[in-house]
Amino acid sequence: DVKVTQSSRYLVKRTGEKVFLECVQDMDHENMFWYRQDPGLGLRLIYFSYDVKMKEKGDIPEGYSVSREKKERFSLILESASTNQTSMYLCASTSPIGNLGSPLHFGNGTRLTVT
Amino acid sequence: AQSVTQPDIHITVSEGASLELRCNYSYGATPYLFWYVQSPGQGLQLLLKYFSGDTLVQGIKGFEAEFKRSQSSFNLRKPSVHWSDAAEYFCALARAGSYQLTFGKGTKLSVIP
Repeated sequence: DVKVTQSSRYLVKRTGEKVFLECVQDMDHENMFWYRQDPGLGLRLIYFSYDVKMKEKGDIPEGYSVSREKKERFSLILESASTNQTSMYLCASTSPIGNLGSPLHFGNGTRLTVT
Repeated sequence: AQSVTQPDIHITVSEGASLELRCNYSYGATPYLFWYVQSPGQGLQLLLKYFSGDTLVQGIKGFEAEFKRSQSSFNLRKPSVHWSDAAEYFCALARAGSYQLTFGKGTKLSVIP
């Protein structure tokens, strides 16, 4: 079974802090994603990566950056956390969709509170 | 641009009753369609997917969904709901050949014993 592990379930940070959210997958997947989930808004794509050192902006990249130095690890960075970034953050991974049987596999999420 | 609409924010059904969760999409061609379920405090789990072929797809946990091109819909169904089905359900779409998903806003399902 694919395992996507997010390092923290709950995180509390102060406004202005630099925050790192870590995600590791164990299936050698090429593609990794960061979503944020807010009540009534569903999941919105922040950034994704289809290879090491490659990244693409999603729908809401402002205030975030990412890092992918190794294939299995995809980090989300909040350069200067703000209260409007309080949210649930979900990491996911998949093989290329050309391999039609491969869906997104999600981690359990990190609930970030910025005070 | 593609979009996914789940018209029902919250649905309550009695245990043993049938269930249908609605999903409508907007996309110029035939998309890849997915249903995911999220139990409280958990990540999302894939229930089923449609890429092509038979328009009625079977998934895990007794769920099925039917793709209707004429109605741009991909509704999720279950003939008899169990209390453990209480969760939030998300419909999602990917452009053919793409791995980027667009999600609906979700439907929360409550089950009355």
